[in-house]
Amino acid sequence: DGGITQSPKYLFRKEGQNVTLSCEQNLNHDAMYWYRQDPGQGLRLIYYSQIVNDFQKGDIAEGYSVSREKKESFPLTVTSAQKNPTAFYLCASSTSGGGANVLTFGAGSRLTVL
Amino acid sequence: AQKITQTQPGMFVQEKEAVTLDCTYDTSDPSYGLFWYKQPSSGEMIFLIYQGSYDQQNATEGRYSLNFQKARKSANLVISASQLGDSAMYFCAMRERRAGGTSYGKLTFGQGTILTVHP
Repeated sequence: DGGITQSPKYLFRKEGQNVTLSCEQNLNHDAMYWYRQDPGQGLRLIYYSQIVNDFQKGDIAEGYSVSREKKESFPLTVTSAQKNPTAFYLCASSTSGGGANVLTFGAGSRLTVL
Repeated sequence: AQKITQTQPGMFVQEKEAVTLDCTYDTSDPSYGLFWYKQPSSGEMIFLIYQGSYDQQNATEGRYSLNFQKARKSANLVISASQLGDSAMYFCAMRERRAGGTSYGKLTFGQGTILTVHP
């Protein structure tokens, strides 16, 4: 079945450590996205990529980095520069171009900083 | 300014009744798309329904319908015959056309409404 796989589901990190969240899709989608969700809040866009080897900052990119070396993969690194990284992270993908393109989401990764 | 506003932090409905979740949006682009997603306690986002700004008819998908009032910039979600499994967080979202272009950009989400369905 086609879909998006995020790993790990739960992650604990000590302050000062970088962590990388994995996102893999087999939907043959061109576009991929990373969102952050804080408790009781909506989703805020961190980074997105419309094509391999290209990505753009979203609304809250500071303290995060991404790469898009393969169409299927869009890993997110939460760096030590991110001051408040504890949150739920959602990866999504879509076909690109049209306004009606639906985002398909993964199950999410919950990061807790100890 | 908020692009998407959901003014109801929480809503309660009796099983088998209908419920309306409010969403207003702000854009100057004549071409945009509006989406509703459901997020159960498991965390995954589930797409429910889409409405394009040029669509003449309100979108419907099974028990979900979108009450689109373009002049008022509102896109309320109506769930008919509520079920216990409808208890979840619901998000309204909008995608606008990129500035100066014909392609479309990011999806912007509202703060969400928690719906609780009582038996």
